[in-house]
Amino acid sequence: GEDVEQSLFLSVREGDSSVINCTYTDSSSTYLYWYKQEPGAGLQLLTYIFSNMDMKQDQRLTVLLNKKDKHLSLRIADTQTGDSAIYFCAVPMNTGFQKLVFGTGTRLLVSP
Amino acid sequence: SQTIHQWPATLVQPVGSPLSLECTVEGTSNPNLYWYRQAAGRGLQLLFYSVGIGQISSEVPQNLSASRPQDRQFILSSKKLLLSDSGFYLCAWSVQGFNIRIEQYFGPGTRLTVT
Repeated sequence: GEDVEQSLFLSVREGDSSVINCTYTDSSSTYLYWYKQEPGAGLQLLTYIFSNMDMKQDQRLTVLLNKKDKHLSLRIADTQTGDSAIYFCAVPMNTGFQKLVFGTGTRLLVSP
Repeated sequence: SQTIHQWPATLVQPVGSPLSLECTVEGTSNPNLYWYRQAAGRGLQLLFYSVGIGQISSEVPQNLSASRPQDRQFILSSKKLLLSDSGFYLCAWSVQGFNIRIEQYFGPGTRLTVT
């Protein structure tokens, strides 16, 4: 089945850029997603990218996709303390139904 | 607008006791519904999904079960809890049908501690 890997932890200073990485195994994925989970809360869809794109920018967020290497990244510019959260990448399961496989999540800690 | 509710928010139960977690969705009809578990330091594990009333598919073998008695109600149950059932349980919904873009919307979650 699909396997999605992320590093577990990232620490940055306020104002720096953060880059969260994700690798996946299924190359047939159409859309790939980034979700954000604040402490004690559910997940919130942050952004997504279609597989025929290399890059998508949405305000402070930039998603980069390298299909050849099956690598997805999320860059947060000018990181703020409010960006501290767990970030999950997610890709569709290759089973023909509306299911997603989530990575292990990267905990981003932003210090002032 | 659509909203998704889960209750209770937190729950502490002894080993061997029963469990019932409830999830309801408002503002949409015939959604796909999902139950996930998030264990400490691990990602999200899909437990069950449902495409309609009474239609439940299980992703992993376990002592949990799910039911969908109404279109927008999804219930997670257990007859006898195990210590390993502790975790953060998340309900989610998505628009029914085959959509190329799968947007899942999550509830606030239930923190379950089995003692």
